[in-house]
Formats: sequence, structure tokens, C-alpha cells
Amino acid sequence: DTGVSQDPRHKITKRGQNVTFRCDPISEHNRLYWYRQTLGQGPEFLTYFQNEAQLEKSRLLSDRFSAERPKGSFSTLEIQRTEQGDSAMYLCASIQGDGEAFFGQGTRLTVV
Amino acid sequence: AQSVTQLDSQVPVFEEAPVELRCNYSSSVSVYLFWYVQYPNQGLQLLLKYLSGSTLVKGINGFEAEFNKSQTSFHLRKPSVHISDTAEYFCAVSDGGYNKLIFGAGTRLAVHP
Repeated sequence: DTGVSQDPRHKITKRGQNVTFRCDPISEHNRLYWYRQTLGQGPEFLTYFQNEAQLEKSRLLSDRFSAERPKGSFSTLEIQRTEQGDSAMYLCASIQGDGEAFFGQGTRLTVV
Repeated sequence: AQSVTQLDSQVPVFEEAPVELRCNYSSSVSVYLFWYVQYPNQGLQLLLKYLSGSTLVKGINGFEAEFNKSQTSFHLRKPSVHISDTAEYFCAVSDGGYNKLIFGAGTRLAVHP
């Protein structure tokens, strides 16, 4: 068990480009969360999966954002047509049952 | 709706001094409360949690917090801080265990020699 892994750790992209982030949760953790953290703020909930089902999406998740968790294992978060306001740290957390939420180290996105 | 207010954005303190980081929450339902620490360029690490039972909870690295329902507070304390405690600290609330945590804006603790 190596913890929650996120890839890449850093991403710089030009405005208008698409980006995709990956989260590998702790194996057998059935719940997976995505959060976004902007500078000087706490993390904000984006979306939640239980196994492969996406059960909740925040209003923060515009049409340009999509998340998947095929087969209930790893998850991807894609942002289409990136904007400068998308620059943030994107955090993933995984949970087994009612246990503790374990966070990955995050992917820092910079849109230039 | 639930919300969390961390009253201090920055707290400077000298090494070996006591520290208190303040957190107030609002919720219309039973709450679960958490404190997380974030070191530079790292994810979040759980310091301690209140789910039920004793209102005084002890966590890692010598931190403790007290759940005060009447004052809707969950302040974090440490009797003697170290340089290595310098980090960002986040208070969080949920209405069901670790489900969809609602975080405060964070308090930057700066420990000076």
C-alpha cells in the first residue's frame, strides 16, 4: 500500500488546451473524491465516486470538466478548453467504507 | 448548509510557545469535525478528528482539539510548538464521517526560533 498517487504532480498548459489528471487510490478503497484548492483557500469538493458510479458533482464542475472512474479503480479528471481560472491544485482522496480519507499529493495546474 | 470559519489566516509564534488555531463551524445537523495539516507542495494529512464521544480529542504530533457544541467551535491547540510544525492547517466539517468534507480557508502557522 503506497498511498494515494496522483499524476502528474505539475502541469503547465496554454489556455484553451485540454488536460487530464490521474488518481490511483489505495487499492480496494471504494470511495474516491476530487477536490480543488486555489491559492490561499481550503480544498473545495468537486465530485465523488463510489466504485465506478459518480454519485455527486459540485456546481463548481462546469461542462468543461469531466471525471471518470472506470472499473472502480483509478480515476481521471479532464478539463477541456482550459482557462486561467482553472489554475489550482487538484487533490484526490480515497476512503474505504467509513474509514479515514487519505489524500494524494495533488496535481498543480498552471494555465498560461 | 455547512460552513467553516478559520478566524486567523496567519499565526506567528515562537518555538516552544503554546498555540491555538481557531475554528468555528455552522451546521444544522450532527457534525463530524477534522483538522488537517498541509506541508508545502504536499497533500493533506489528518491530525485529528471528532466523530462522537469525548469532546477532547488528541491527535498526532502532540496536537489536541476540543469540540464545543454550544459555541460551535473546534479549536486546535498544542502546548509547545516546534519549527517543524510550520505548515498550513485546515479545519473541516462533514455531515457524515469523511463524506464531502467542507474546509475552512486555512491558517498558516509560522514557528520562529
